[in-house]
Amino acid sequence: DIQMTQSPSSLSASVGDRVTITCRASQSISSYLNWYQQKPGKAPKLLIYAASSLQSGVPSRFSGSGSGTDFTLTISSLQPEDFATYYCQQSYSTPPSTFGPGTKVDIK
Amino acid sequence: EVQLVESGGGLVQPGGSLRLSCAASGFTFSSYWMHWVRQAPGKGLVWVSRINSDGSSTSYADSVKGRFTISRDNAKNTLYLQMNSLRAEDTAVYYCARDEDYGDFLFDYWGQGTLVTVSS
Repeated sequence: DIQMTQSPSSLSASVGDRVTITCRASQSISSYLNWYQQKPGKAPKLLIYAASSLQSGVPSRFSGSGSGTDFTLTISSLQPEDFATYYCQQSYSTPPSTFGPGTKVDIK
Repeated sequence: EVQLVESGGGLVQPGGSLRLSCAASGFTFSSYWMHWVRQAPGKGLVWVSRINSDGSSTSYADSVKGRFTISRDNAKNTLYLQMNSLRAEDTAVYYCARDEDYGDFLFDYWGQGTLVTVSS
């Protein structure tokens, strides 16, 4: 199975900050990398698919990049509603599909 | 509006069984592959199982293979997860999720989740 790692595991940031989260796959997954946002007590929400494609309805301050084994999720200007946990997920070699351990973004 | 509503969770003893349901609405259920994903308390997301659109093909995570069975009733727009021989480590919130495109494991809609607690 492909293993996914994320860094950092948590970060503190202020409204308006630029935030970058990194995801790494244990082997090349081309661009089969998706990002989800999860708020406490809620279901995950798809943000980015195929590494860099923005899901319909997701604000343009979210962007994704990368290919192969290294990927990033960037929030260009953090908003109050963006405080959440973010997960990457590989959909290249399935089943199983595997998720990263998550990155919690909280208020500084 | 796409809606997925899970039910059937609860407290069960180790070794027991439980059947989860996921009622779908707002889309043509019979055209979509569906998945179950779980999340243990305070932990990350783990894919559990998937089923194709007509129910003829299924897959499972190694951790549940032989104990869990995924199924669907397209006439009732409902997805199921039969869980047998439950263990403490199966304790989690179970989400059903829609596959955006024919088994590409891209989860574009999720239910609100149902909590399964395995404890004596």
